[in-house]
Amino acid sequence: DAGVIQSPRHEVTEMGQEVTLRCKPISGHNSLFWYRQTMMRGLELLIYFNNNVPIDDSGMPEDRFSAKMPNASFSTLKIQPSEPRDSAVYFCASSEKTGGITEAFFGQGTRLTVV
Amino acid sequence: GEDVEQSLFLSVREGDSSVINCTYTDSSSTYLYWYKQEPGAGLQLLTYIFSNMDMKQDQRLTVLLNKKDKHLSLRIADTQTGDSAIYFCAERESSASKIIFGSGTRLSIRP
Repeated sequence: DAGVIQSPRHEVTEMGQEVTLRCKPISGHNSLFWYRQTMMRGLELLIYFNNNVPIDDSGMPEDRFSAKMPNASFSTLKIQPSEPRDSAVYFCASSEKTGGITEAFFGQGTRLTVV
Repeated sequence: GEDVEQSLFLSVREGDSSVINCTYTDSSSTYLYWYKQEPGAGLQLLTYIFSNMDMKQDQRLTVLLNKKDKHLSLRIADTQTGDSAIYFCAERESSASKIIFGSGTRLSIRP
């Protein structure tokens, strides 16, 4: 498997524009996580899904953020409208809950810059 | 709610031991992890420990868990330049999928 695949790797957009980040989890994994990393706040969990169903979205900063997982192999994180303070690296991770250590596998991240 | 805290920076001399500390709040945490993030990359699992263990050793890495104080540490012996990275502490309940991460400790190595 190629691992968790995120696209794009880099995104530069103007304030007010819609931004869509994409993630393809590892095949067979049943949990998917979206994280945001900034220097000021570290790594924050935004939302996670189990079996394509959103379980906890309490980390989503505000209504401008939305996430979907229409099927087991694809998820999106959308920001509309985007603001400069949304600039960060956004990571997607997936895991297979087996009752064991449940390692989370991370994608390479999308570096978002909103100007 | 759950919270995981770490110091943001650590600087050590090459060849010395590095000790990265972490505290967590969730007493029901069953699995505790250390992840490593190299520049421009995602996080990768470095090691983990079950909550019923006090210590785990893996080559140059030693993980110590004080469950009473909810304190976790990662010791890297003979620190090398390749160990420069951000190290994240994380916790998870056995019944949950959610993994909560600390803010990460940036380890820098000086000659």
